[in-house]
Amino acid sequence: LAKTTQPISMDSYEGQEVNITCSHNNIATNDYITWYQQFPSQGPRFIIQGYKTKVTNEVASLFIPADRKSSTLSLPRVSLSDTAVYYCLVGDPLMDMGRRALTFGSGTRLQVQP
Amino acid sequence: GAVVSQHPSWVICKSGTSVKIECRSLDFQATTMFWYRQFPKQSLMLMATSNEGSKATYEQGVEKDKFLINHASLTLSTLTVTSAHPEDSSFYICSARPDSLSYEQYFGPGTRLTVT
Repeated sequence: LAKTTQPISMDSYEGQEVNITCSHNNIATNDYITWYQQFPSQGPRFIIQGYKTKVTNEVASLFIPADRKSSTLSLPRVSLSDTAVYYCLVGDPLMDMGRRALTFGSGTRLQVQP
Repeated sequence: GAVVSQHPSWVICKSGTSVKIECRSLDFQATTMFWYRQFPKQSLMLMATSNEGSKATYEQGVEKDKFLINHASLTLSTLTVTSAHPEDSSFYICSARPDSLSYEQYFGPGTRLTVT
């Protein structure tokens, strides 16, 4: 299973752009990269998923370089409500009923200040 | 979007008793559901894969006789913590993926179990 490494914590201010980078050096050919957000005492919430290059949705962008050994989650203009833990997961969602894509690392604790 | 519910949201039980936690996919069918546990300030740990119509698959180190999983239908999986002890106190979360080709996992809100 591809191991992921993220910064343990990050601080930001409201209105700033936040970029969280995840390293996954042994990513496999069929692996996708998925980011989740988790608030205290809640289940994780899907943010974005990608395979290569750039993916954008209404809440975030995901940048994946050509070698796919890392990825960056970009949150534009964060607010206080974006304070949460962000997890980067790497795995093949079709392999082994998706189990291989569900190994959570330690995550990044983002604290947004006013 | 797809919704996964869990019941109860929190439960307190005495040591030695059993507790059942339900996980339901409200608006989609899921042949496969997953169960996790999460201790305070820690990450989620995958416990087992719940398969409709067949036995669950447990991760290494998870006692299958202690954590009984039953995937009764395409929308319901249950986790029963048998003979609970204080060390089983944790946050239990389930997830499901629609049987369509969506790659997204939808997580339940979690169940806080406290064993006294």
